[in-house]
Amino acid sequence: NAGVTQTPKFQVLKTGQSMTLQCAQDMNHEYMSWYRQDPGMGLRLIHYSVGAGITDQGEVPNGYNVSRSTTEDFPLRLLSAAPSQTSVYFCASSYQRLSAYEQYFGPGTRLTVT
Amino acid sequence: RKEVEQDPGPFNVPEGATVAFNCTYSNSASQSFFWYRQDCRKEPKLLMSVYSSGNEDGRFTAQLNRASQYISLLIRDSKLSDSATYLCVVNMDNAGNMLTFGGGTRLMVKP
Repeated sequence: NAGVTQTPKFQVLKTGQSMTLQCAQDMNHEYMSWYRQDPGMGLRLIHYSVGAGITDQGEVPNGYNVSRSTTEDFPLRLLSAAPSQTSVYFCASSYQRLSAYEQYFGPGTRLTVT
Repeated sequence: RKEVEQDPGPFNVPEGATVAFNCTYSNSASQSFFWYRQDCRKEPKLLMSVYSSGNEDGRFTAQLNRASQYISLLIRDSKLSDSATYLCVVNMDNAGNMLTFGGGTRLMVKP
C-alpha cells in the first residue's frame, strides 16, 4: 500500500505559469482534500471532494481548480501562478466524513513562485 | 479572531517532564476534535481523537472542555522523540466534510 502519493515533491514556477499537482491514493477512500500550509497559518483547506465527480470549495479556493474523475486521483491545478501561492501543498484522503475518520496525508509538494 | 487558536511555542522541556498544550475553538457547535502531530518538513499524522469524556493513549491524555471551548493535550514522561509540532484540529461544519487546523504548538524535548 502506497497510501497517499503526491508529485512533484518540489516545483519552481514563474509568475503566470500554470501547472497541476498530482495526488493519488490506493486506499479506496471517498474523501480527498487539498490543503496549503504557510508558516504560522496552519493548514488551510483549498478544495475537497466527497466522491468521484463531486468537488467543493474550501477556505481558500481562489486561483485553484480541481476535478475528481476517479476515486483514486484528485489533481490540483494552478491556473496562473502568483508569488502568494508559494507554499507547501498537502493532499489528504479519508475513508468517509472527516468528523469521524482519520485523514491520511501525502508527503507534500513544496512550491515556489518567483 | 482565528477559529482555532494555539500557542505557537516553542515549549522547551527536559526529558521526563510533563507538558500540556491548550487549544481554543470559536464554534460552540463543533462536534469532533483531534490532535495531529507533524514532524519537521513532514506530513501531519493523527495522534488521537478527543472524546467528550476525555481519553488516554499511553503517555498522552486529551481533554475537552465544551463550556470554555478548549481542548488540551497532556504528555507525560516526555521523550526526545516527542519533539514535533502538535496541531489542534476541529470539525466546524455539520456535514463533517471540513476540518479547521490550528497553527500548531512546537515542542522541543531536550536531553
